[in-house]
Amino acid sequence: DAKTTQPNSMESNEEEPVHLPCNHSTISGTDYIHWYRQLPSQGPEYVIHGLTSNVNNRMASLAIAEDRKSSTLILHRATLRDAAVYYCILIHRDNLFFGTGTRLTVIP
Amino acid sequence: KAGVTQTPRYLIKTRGQQVTLSCSPISGHRSVSWYQQTPGQGLQFLFEYFSETQRNKGNFPGRFSGRQFSNSRSEMNVSTLELGDSALYLCASRYPGNYGYTFGSGTRLTVV
Repeated sequence: DAKTTQPNSMESNEEEPVHLPCNHSTISGTDYIHWYRQLPSQGPEYVIHGLTSNVNNRMASLAIAEDRKSSTLILHRATLRDAAVYYCILIHRDNLFFGTGTRLTVIP
Repeated sequence: KAGVTQTPRYLIKTRGQQVTLSCSPISGHRSVSWYQQTPGQGLQFLFEYFSETQRNKGNFPGRFSGRQFSNSRSEMNVSTLELGDSALYLCASRYPGNYGYTFGSGTRLTVV
């Protein structure tokens, strides 16, 4: 199974950039890297995804290492609403394999 | 547009009973997948349906089953409920191809 490894928790000050790392050393060539976040009592919310190249959208940026064994989700200016559990996921044959995620705390 | 709708939101069942959960995907989404979330095991993949066919299945016992209808709505069934089946059950849908998944808010099942 394709697996990801993330730090259990991270803290950031409000309005500061946040870099959330993810290791996926067993990734195969066709696996997409997806990021989702989950707020309490809600289902996960899609953030961003990519295959090989770095990606940007209105929510975040995704930086993918050249060997694809790691990636970093970048929130450019953390807000209190960004406090959530962030999951880095590999999409393998249309299956989502969730790691334990990183709990992000945003400090006002 | 409407999101992924899961019903019911909360459910309490007795051990040994069976339960059916429903998921209505976003219009146009043909892929529907199901997940179990517990504090101990985190989020785990149950199965995925596309055009009424189960394409992938996670590592769960046969008591967990599902189906998808021609309108892409999906149901998940758990028979002979056990205490350990208490969890948040999440459904997600997406367009065919390389897109992100949209999750519902889940059904919280409590087995007593």
